[in-house]
Amino acid sequence: EAGVAQSPRYKIIEKRQSVAFWCNPISGHATLYWYQQILGQGPKLLIQFQNNGVVDDSQLPKDRFSAERLKGVDSTLKIQPAKLEDSAVYLCASSALYRGGAFFGQGTRLTVV
Amino acid sequence: AQTVTQSQPEMSVQEAETVTLSCTYDTSESDYYLFWYKQPPSRQMILVIRQEAYKQQNATENRFSVNFQKAAKSFSLKISDSQLGDAAMYFCAYRSARTYKYIFGTGTRLKVLA
Repeated sequence: EAGVAQSPRYKIIEKRQSVAFWCNPISGHATLYWYQQILGQGPKLLIQFQNNGVVDDSQLPKDRFSAERLKGVDSTLKIQPAKLEDSAVYLCASSALYRGGAFFGQGTRLTVV
Repeated sequence: AQTVTQSQPEMSVQEAETVTLSCTYDTSESDYYLFWYKQPPSRQMILVIRQEAYKQQNATENRFSVNFQKAAKSFSLKISDSQLGDAAMYFCAYRSARTYKYIFGTGTRLKVLA
C-alpha cells in the first residue's frame, strides 16, 4: 500500500513570496490533515478535511494560508504572502474514518528568508 | 479543550535496557484514542502503538507497550530491549472519537547509548 505522498521535500523562498505544497493521501482515507511543526515543537493542526469538506480550520491563519481538497483526494496548502515565522515543516496526514491512527507523509521543510 | 502533556523533554537509555516515556492528557470526552508516534531525523512521523479508551487491556506491539490509566489520564510508553534505531523524538497524541482531531504533545527526545 502506498503511503502519504508530499511534495516538494524542501523549499526556500523570500518573505512576501507565495508557496504551495501538495499532498496525496492513502487511497480510501476520508480524513486529511495539514500540520505545521516548528523546530522543537509538536505538530499543530492547521486544517482538517473530511472528504472534500473542511471540519476544522480554527488555527489556520486565513489572511495568508489557504487549503483545498479536490474531489476528496489530493490537497494543496498555499501561503501567500509568506512571513519569516512560517519557516517550519509542513506535514500532511490521512486516516480512515473509524479505525487506526493517522499516517504521515515525509513533510515539506519550508525556509523563509 | 483537550490537552496533551509530555513532561520529559529528553530521556537517555542504555542499549538493551528498558525506558518509559510519560504522557498525561486532559479531556471531558469518554470515547477517544491515544497514540505514540516516533519521529526520526528523517522527520516522517511513524505510528508506534495505539490504545482505544474503551479497552482496559494495555496495547502491546513487539518491544513497545503502554500503561494506560484512564482514571488518572495517563498514557506511558515502555520500550524494552532498546535499540540504537529507537533513538528519535516520541510524540504522544490524543484523537477525539467524535471529531477525529489529533492533538500532539511537545515530544520527548530519546537517546540510546551504545
